[in-house]
Formats: sequence, structure tokens, C-alpha cells
Amino acid sequence: AQSVTQPDIHITVSEGASLELRCNYSYGATPYLFWYVQSPGQGLQLLLKYFSGDTLVQGIKGFEAEFKRSQSSFNLRKPSVHWSDAAEYFCAVGARGNAGNMLTFGGGTRLMVKP
Amino acid sequence: GAGVSQSPSNKVTEKGKDVELRCDPISGHTALYWYRQSLGQGLEFLIYFQGNSAPDKSGLPSDRFSAERTGGSVSTLTIQRTQQEDSAVYLCASSLGGTPDTQYFGPGTRLTVL
Repeated sequence: AQSVTQPDIHITVSEGASLELRCNYSYGATPYLFWYVQSPGQGLQLLLKYFSGDTLVQGIKGFEAEFKRSQSSFNLRKPSVHWSDAAEYFCAVGARGNAGNMLTFGGGTRLMVKP
Repeated sequence: GAGVSQSPSNKVTEKGKDVELRCDPISGHTALYWYRQSLGQGLEFLIYFQGNSAPDKSGLPSDRFSAERTGGSVSTLTIQRTQQEDSAVYLCASSLGGTPDTQYFGPGTRLTVL
């Protein structure tokens, strides 16, 4: 069975600083990988996804993520954080199985942005 | 276009009562998923519908939980005899149903069981 680990429960960065959120996964084959963002009281919004091909993927709101098979990682990055980026971020792995493309999520990383 | 919608947005109920949560997927999406988000367990898969096939119920935590999908579109998640541990946010997602696939989530229903 697949699993996802987000080692950082909370991260605080200053506005304008760079950001990296870590994600490690466990899966026996080529994974489908996703990052979602959740603002308070909201559902999950897709930031970006990796299916195949170029290991550096670009997403919305200036985010990017890099798939590193050797490290089983899919870290999310942003060069300059804005106050509106404060939210909870979830990494997820999708795998073809009995439950279609069910997603397995990490525990989430809550991002706080200091002015 | 319209995204996934869920109703109600909030539901407060008493222990032992039954509740129904509704999900309207994106038009044309054949796959529909229910997830539960709770403080102790994080985000968990509950059930999956694909077209007219039998649903995959492997994530349902007990037989008090059931779901149906009428006409391949709207879905209802029913929790019978609610317990306090059922308090959570219930999220619905839909997708085109291919492989690989991208799920789009609704805003969720926050369920509080008193």
C-alpha cells in the first residue's frame, strides 16, 4: 500500500522569502503525485500534479515541484511567498487499484506567513 | 464552469440521528469519491463510484456508512445512528475517470455530532 509523509507539520516564513515543503512517498511503481492547498473552511484546490515526463512541474500561483525518484520525494517550492499563501498544503499519491485512482494523503503542512 | 458542490455546508446533529450529505459532481465527470477529514485521522478515502459499476466501499469505516449515486451524477452519503467520532469534514471529489486522473474537490460538509 502507498503512503505519504510530510515531515513538517508547521512552517513559518517571512513574506517574500522562499519556501520548500517536503513530501516523501512510498509506492511500488511509478506514482501519480499531487499537491493540493486548503484555505480555512475551504475544500482542496489542486496546485500541480506529476504523471510522467519532465520531473519539474509548474503549477498555479507560482508554485513548482520536483519529482525525485531516487529520493522518493516530491517537494513543493515557491521562490517568493505572499501573505495569501498562508494555508494548509497536502501532498498526495494516486495509484491505480481497486478504488480507481483513490488518493492517499500526507498529514499536511500548515504554512504561516509573517509580514 | 461550475465546480463540485456539496450540501449542506454545515450540519449539527445529535448522537444517534441519521444524516445525509449531498454531492453534485462536475458535469461530465464519471468518477466520484468521498473522503473524510478529521483531526485525528487526516484525510481518508471512503468510497468510489465509476459510471454504472458497483462502488468500491473499501474505505467505509463501519456499516453505519453508506452511499449511493443516482443516474451517474448526484451522490448521497448517509450516516446512520451517528456517533461523536463521526464528527469531521466530509469532502467529495469528481474526475473524468481515466488513468491517470485528476480529482477536483468540493468545499466539504462539516458534520458535528453532539
